[in-house]
Amino acid sequence: GAVVSQHPSRVICKSGTSVKIECRSLDFQATTMFWYRQFPKQSLMLMATSNEGSKATYEQGVEKDKFLINHASLTLSTLTVTSAHPEDSSFYICSALGALGAENTEAFFGQGTRLTVV
Amino acid sequence: QKEVEQDPGPLSVPEGAIVSLNCTYSNSAFQYFMWYRQYSRKGPELLMYTYSSGNKEDGRFTAQVDKSSKYISLFIRDSQPSDSATYLCAMSRGSYIPTFGRGTSLIVHP
Repeated sequence: GAVVSQHPSRVICKSGTSVKIECRSLDFQATTMFWYRQFPKQSLMLMATSNEGSKATYEQGVEKDKFLINHASLTLSTLTVTSAHPEDSSFYICSALGALGAENTEAFFGQGTRLTVV
Repeated sequence: QKEVEQDPGPLSVPEGAIVSLNCTYSNSAFQYFMWYRQYSRKGPELLMYTYSSGNKEDGRFTAQVDKSSKYISLFIRDSQPSDSATYLCAMSRGSYIPTFGRGTSLIVHP
């Protein structure tokens, strides 16, 4: 199946610093990528939809100036958590849309990034 | 009411048991139904997908969709400790963003 690589898998940073997370589709071109946040024992919460070459679409309640998304190529999207605070500590997961069948698309997920802000 | 409802569990079963995981939904426009498995601190991986109503079998896993009742199920036969994970249902209207359930935590104990 298609592979989505997410890096880093784990990061610890100091409060007030910025952290960049990369999401790459390794064997297919992804015009659309998604960024999710997941709290313990909770489902995936969609943060934003990233489209190659255009501005990301953020879900209600997600601060676009805090969570900067760049989708500069068909295989790479980045999420930068700016001025991170302890409450930003969470599991961040990206996914990329690929063809599942003639009409449907499947979301292939990265391995996730565990962010801890101290 | 959420679009997709899923009991978070945890569901604890002995090894070898048949496991039944379920989701209900409210949007009749959903046509594609998926089950993802997520191990702790990992990204979800697709297990199975089904289009419209009916059953689909893959090894020990069987997915069922009942669109009339807006109810989907995933059955796991001969469950193994390695099946212990969180199982998320997801559904979509086609080339749209999938909507996820909150996931059910499954524990299979030896």
